[in-house]
Amino acid sequence: EVQLLESGGGLVQPGGSLRLSCVVSGFTFSNYAMSWVRQAPGKGLEWVSGISGSGGATFYADSVKGRFSISRDNSKNTLYLQMKSLTVEDTAVYYCAKDVFVNYGSGSYYNFWGQGTLVTVSS
Amino acid sequence: SYDLTQPPSVSVSPGQTATITCSGDKLGDRYVWWYQQKPGQSPVLVISQDTKRPSGIPDRFSGSNSGNTATLTISGTQAMDEADYYCQAWDTNILIFGGGTKLTVL
Repeated sequence: EVQLLESGGGLVQPGGSLRLSCVVSGFTFSNYAMSWVRQAPGKGLEWVSGISGSGGATFYADSVKGRFSISRDNSKNTLYLQMKSLTVEDTAVYYCAKDVFVNYGSGSYYNFWGQGTLVTVSS
Repeated sequence: SYDLTQPPSVSVSPGQTATITCSGDKLGDRYVWWYQQKPGQSPVLVISQDTKRPSGIPDRFSGSNSGNTATLTISGTQAMDEADYYCQAWDTNILIFGGGTKLTVL
């Protein structure tokens, strides 16, 4: 059974940093690209960042480029999202999502999602 | 940037057909995926590559894509289909979601 479990969310002040983790099981982690997708309270889905199965290629939405960093440890079956210079606009539930291909890119989509972890940026 | 536009809400009576649209410039030249999200839950893929139903998705869900509009159709809509629906497409290496449509079954 495929499982994705996010952690690391919480309350952080504007300008602060946070690192999210997503531990996966039930599939060969290194064989699939992964992404982070967020959803602000009462709003729609927004793709944040994607990473290839090897970790060699990373991609970011313009809204987080230069502030967020995606990475993965294939030996630990874990996906990460390092977030810095957080603003109130970053407040959202952050989902990790499993791609159907090893390389992130056009044509990819998500067949499994985690339950999400809430990040609240507030003073 | 490339935008996908969905109606904020659609209402349908039980047993009737619900139609949810997703519009974008020459969207028919791209693949579209559809996700269902129920309150408090994670999204679930219901249609892949315009028309394909993943395993486990009821056959009352179908999709099409032509011109500037992709359409998710739910035939014989049931109360359990009440949810938010999001279309997804690609713009170069950026994955794009539509704004979402709240389907109300009443």
